Amino acid sequence: SQQGEEDPQALSIQEGENATMNCSYKTSINNLQWYRQNSGRGLVHLILIRSNEREKHSGRLRVTLDTSKKSSSLLITASRAADTASYFCATDRGSSNTGKLIFGQGTTLQVKP
Amino acid sequence: GAGVSQSPRYKVAKRGQDVALRCDPISGHVSLFWYQQALGQGPEFLTYFQNEAQLDKSGLPSDRFFAERPEGSVSTLKIQRTQQEDSAVYLCASSSRQAGGRDEQFFGPGTRLTVL
Repeated sequence: SQQGEEDPQALSIQEGENATMNCSYKTSINNLQWYRQNSGRGLVHLILIRSNEREKHSGRLRVTLDTSKKSSSLLITASRAADTASYFCATDRGSSNTGKLIFGQGTTLQVKP
Repeated sequence: GAGVSQSPRYKVAKRGQDVALRCDPISGHVSLFWYQQALGQGPEFLTYFQNEAQLDKSGLPSDRFFAERPEGSVSTLKIQRTQQEDSAVYLCASSSRQAGGRDEQFFGPGTRLTVL
């Protein structure tokens, strides 16, 4: 069973535009992480935001976390064709003592050149 | 340094056959996780090791699935009497932190298992 939902399921934009993906989850968390997966490849860690943080930046990525709404968003600014991939949010639940991740179903992003 | 490696990258098995999937984590990483990813879905947790101890196997779908990490480094996921519903990508991840450390996980490329 998966922790939450991501929306949209699919997103298609032009190069240079911004892309926003949202993630909702159900239980308390220690942290929330975003991963990217290119077709047929493994997952690449993008950013980790802890439950006591509200916003985090890494290069062209901006992540927000609203624990009262149990939601997070990932913003990719000035998108590039190379950003085309699936993006997953994953939560490390507060009840877990192992750090195992519960993933959403992902957003498929297509950036057109 | 080398990342997480997995072998084989692709495996085709006939229904009923046993398979073994290998994971080489990043050297020195204490935590090792196995996930199963069905087509078009997000990964789902299978099992967790801290060094050689299997501390959580709550995600293993049946007793046909077995994982081990005898020396606290390389891990093997074994599936006995494979069924078609076992077809998926099996991902291995490692992390430097012990349980409770809460750190990013480094994923391998996965093994794509197809059961005919």
